[in-house]
Amino acid sequence: GQQLNQSPQSMFIQEGEDVSMNCTSSSIFNTWLWYKQDPGEGPVLLIALYKAGELTSNGRLTAQFGITRKDSFLNISASIPSDVGIYFCAGQDSGAGSYQLTFGKGTKLSVIP
Amino acid sequence: KAGVTQTPRYLIKTRGQQVTLSCSPISGHRSVSWYQQTPGQGLQFLFEYFSETQRNKGNFPGRFSGRQFSNSRSEMNVSTLELGDSALYLCASRVGLGSSYEQYFGPGTRLTVT
Repeated sequence: GQQLNQSPQSMFIQEGEDVSMNCTSSSIFNTWLWYKQDPGEGPVLLIALYKAGELTSNGRLTAQFGITRKDSFLNISASIPSDVGIYFCAGQDSGAGSYQLTFGKGTKLSVIP
Repeated sequence: KAGVTQTPRYLIKTRGQQVTLSCSPISGHRSVSWYQQTPGQGLQFLFEYFSETQRNKGNFPGRFSGRQFSNSRSEMNVSTLELGDSALYLCASRVGLGSSYEQYFGPGTRLTVT
């Protein structure tokens, strides 16, 4: 089955620093989604990417859909304490007739004030 | 517009019992998917429903089942509960038409099996 490798598993950064995390896949996806999950809550959609090479921003967040369609990265600029949480990448291969998401294991972000 | 709602939020059951979880999608969304989240396995796809039909199923035993109603609300059922079924069960909804693939998650139901 499809597998997503997300790295790093965890990060400790100082407030104000930039953050970068990425996902690589063993197979091609035609959609990449990035989510953030806070404790006790469901994942919240941050950014959706639909085209290879696409670069999309949402405030301080920027994500890119890799040219090979097998990877994606998420950058957070000037981190603040409320950025703390677990970030998940998810790939979707709707060409297979299904819209199931395959998730990475997550990147746990801690921000030191 | 209200988000995805799931009930109940927390549930404690005993091994061997069965459980039914409910999900109400965002208004206008016709597709509902279910995921299981555990510390060891992460987020795993259970099944997807669109227009009351199961469109896809993940690699879970037949004890896990679901259905969708004409108003797009969905339920999932787990029979003969095992300790390993303890997890956060998440429901996600999608418009289900056109090229919108974005899925929006509810807060989840935390199931504990003792």
